[in-house]
Formats: sequence, structure tokens, C-alpha cells
Amino acid sequence: LAKTTQPISMDSYEGQEVNITCSHNNIATNDYITWYQQFPSQGPRFIIQGYKTKVTNEVASLFIPADRKSSTLSLPRVSLSDTAVYYCLVVPDRGSTLGRLYFGRGTQLTVWP
Amino acid sequence: ETGVTQTPRHLVMGMTNKKSLKCEQHLGHNAMYWYKQSAKKPLELMFVYSLEERVENNSVPSRFSPECPNSSHLFLHLHTLQPEDSALYLCASSSQGREETQYFGPGTRLLVL
Repeated sequence: LAKTTQPISMDSYEGQEVNITCSHNNIATNDYITWYQQFPSQGPRFIIQGYKTKVTNEVASLFIPADRKSSTLSLPRVSLSDTAVYYCLVVPDRGSTLGRLYFGRGTQLTVWP
Repeated sequence: ETGVTQTPRHLVMGMTNKKSLKCEQHLGHNAMYWYKQSAKKPLELMFVYSLEERVENNSVPSRFSPECPNSSHLFLHLHTLQPEDSALYLCASSSQGREETQYFGPGTRLLVL
């Protein structure tokens, strides 16, 4: 499975847009990019998934360039409640990944008033 | 609410005790997972159960014993734990073949004295 690299931490202020970039140079043709969010003392929560170009939902947007070697999670107008750890994962579309999903350390986003 | 419940939410036990953690999912999923999350460390996958296979992390000590009586319930039996086993234990479920979209429970915060 493709390894990912993302910043350990980021800081922002309320109302700003936050972009967290993840590198996945070894991504395979049929891999999807998935992002999770984890609040303190809670389990991670799936927030968005994409294959190419742009995906948007009520929580975030995911931008994936044509070469797919990186992706950017965009959080519009963050609030204090967006303070969390954000994980970038790369997973195959087909076949068994059972037991091989790797969350890594993620990016600790801290939003300040 | 993610559809995955865990009990108890908090547990304090001595090193000679035997206890069990319980997880139940109401999502119709057929794969369930146990993770361990220690302070400042990445999520560590411990065990996975699905319809067709069980996957174990070979580094998990035998003092942790999983049980999956059906697709909706998952247990983690604990015996003669060590203080370093203190951590947040998370249960998750997914549809088989859709491991990238896991739904996590709130976790059990375990303290071993």
C-alpha cells in the first residue's frame, strides 16, 4: 500500500481556510485517497474520499492533481471545533486490504480564537 | 452516533484482573476491527474479523484475546495486563471490501494499575 506523508501539525485561526497537503508518490492506478478526522478521546471519523480532480461534501473539499501524487484537504472557514487530528490514507479500490490500512500520525490541526 | 457502541467507556483494572471489552455495530457491516491508541502514537491495528478471514497483528501479546461470535459483536478479553497496556481501545466496523470506510466506536479508555 502506498505510504503517505503529511505535516505533523498546523495552526490556524477561526474563520480561515485550512489546506492540509498529503504526499503519496507511490500511489497506484486503482488507489483511492481517503481522509479521516479524530477528536481527542474519540474514534476517527471518515470525512471524504476521492480518486481525481475535486470532491466536495458538507464537511470538506478534496483536491487531487492530475498526477495524483499528492492531495489537499481543504476546510473552509474553520472553527474551534475543527481542532482535531486529520489522517490521509491511500487504499486500493478493489481487492483485500484487510489489516493493512495504515493511519500514521496524521496532522494535528489547532484552531485558535 | 456512528452506529458502533463500545462498553465500558472507562475501565481501571489491576494486573491480575480479567476483564472484557465489548463492541456492537448496528450498521449491517461484516468486518470488525480492534485498534489500540496510546498517547502520542499512531493507531495500531490489533485484530480484524471478516466473513472470510481473521487477521492478527503478530506483535499483539497473548494477554489480549479477541472473540467475534457473529458479525455484529466483537469482544476483547484482557488478562494479566501490564501498565504499558493502558490506552484507548477502539472498535471499528466496515463492509467487507470497503475497509477504507470504517466506522469507529467511541473507545474504551483503559488504565492498568
